[in-house]
Amino acid sequence: GAGVSQSPSNKVTEKGKDVELRCDPISGHTALYWYRQSLGQGLEFLIYFQGNSAPDKSGLPSDRFSAERTGGSVSTLTIQRTQQEDSAVYLCASSGPGQGSPYEQYFGPGTRLTVT
Amino acid sequence: AQTVTQSQPEMSVQEAETVTLSCTYDTSESDYYLFWYKQPPSRQMILVIRQEAYKQQNATENRFSVNFQKAAKSFSLKISDSQLGDAAMYFCAYSLGDSNYQLIWGAGTKLIIKP
Repeated sequence: GAGVSQSPSNKVTEKGKDVELRCDPISGHTALYWYRQSLGQGLEFLIYFQGNSAPDKSGLPSDRFSAERTGGSVSTLTIQRTQQEDSAVYLCASSGPGQGSPYEQYFGPGTRLTVT
Repeated sequence: AQTVTQSQPEMSVQEAETVTLSCTYDTSESDYYLFWYKQPPSRQMILVIRQEAYKQQNATENRFSVNFQKAAKSFSLKISDSQLGDAAMYFCAYSLGDSNYQLIWGAGTKLIIKP
């Protein structure tokens, strides 16, 4: 079946603007994760959804970051008033019933965000 | 807090040879999962192999196998008969065996295959 998709693939924005990153998980997967991959910091966990609720938001770096998930499917990660340190690749992953084991995460191709 | 350490920023191997990538982790938990992911230049993170901590037998997937030493908290990846397509960043990752399977990542090892 279809894998995890993310859009846009690349996004260039000016400092101070808001951006929205979208993730479409594998159909039927109940868990959805956002990670950030940056050159100096490696890969870091941002937020986790189980269905539409986010029991773990511990990785969000500041209150400029927020995320939501609707219908137990699509998720949007929003970054307000972007800063240059937000430049990174944002990866989305999903897991759950159906494809793979519940603890195996399947990743999308990521969105490369560049803040100028 | 759990941590994952990959001490080899870069490794190179001759095509058709065998290479081993190292990973150590720190946790006080007894139930957890360990993974090796591959990330080629396309950016797509691909699961290579997984190991459940409760299993003593080392996981294998075709040319890929692990050496899981629970007491030593070591989880190395062996790639046999290396192929040009194996060139990528390899990440070791850990997750707890509860409902939130968030991954904790090592810094990665860049694997270069010499033709």
